[in-house]
Amino acid sequence: AQSVTQLDSQVPVFEEAPVELRCNYSSSVSVYLFWYVQYPNQGLQLLLKYLSGSTLVKGINGFEAEFNKSQTSFHLRKPSVHISDTAEYFCAVRDFGNEKLTFGTGTRLTIIP
Amino acid sequence: NAGVTQTPKFRILKIGQSMTLQCTQDMNHNYMYWYRQDPGMGLKLIYYSVGAGITDKGEVPNGYNVSRSTTEDFPLRLELAAPSQTSVYFCASRDTGSTDTQYFGPGTRLTVL
Repeated sequence: AQSVTQLDSQVPVFEEAPVELRCNYSSSVSVYLFWYVQYPNQGLQLLLKYLSGSTLVKGINGFEAEFNKSQTSFHLRKPSVHISDTAEYFCAVRDFGNEKLTFGTGTRLTIIP
Repeated sequence: NAGVTQTPKFRILKIGQSMTLQCTQDMNHNYMYWYRQDPGMGLKLIYYSVGAGITDKGEVPNGYNVSRSTTEDFPLRLELAAPSQTSVYFCASRDTGSTDTQYFGPGTRLTVL
């Protein structure tokens, strides 16, 4: 069965500093990987996804993530964060051929002015 | 396109009451999902549907029922509300084409007292 671990529940970062949000998954089959962002009192919005091909995936708002199969990781990065990036970030995995998306518990990113 | 819409946005129920959470999508997606989000727990799948007339259980289906009579609508029914069902509920639909993306509604915040 697929599972997702987001190691950091909260990450405070100074404005314009780089950030990395960590995500590890476990699965016995090939996977699709996703990062979603949730702004306060809103639904989830897709940031980026890995389906196949290049392991470095670029998404919206300057975020990118790298799929590392050997380490079963899909860490999210941004070189310079802004106040507007304050939100909760969820990593999710879906096994190939499975209709169900499994979410991590989320990482709350707080930007310090 | 309105995307995925959910009603109501907020609701307070007494123990034992019943209610239906409405979800509608206008993107002609076959796949639809109901999740609940509890603090610090990420999203858990309640039920999903792969098309009109077809539904299946997710991780946490107990206490809920669904139906899918049309492509657009996927209501979630709570028959006997319990305090454990206090949560934020999200509906989503999925584009199974090349983008393979789930689109989320804004959520319904339900409190059972």
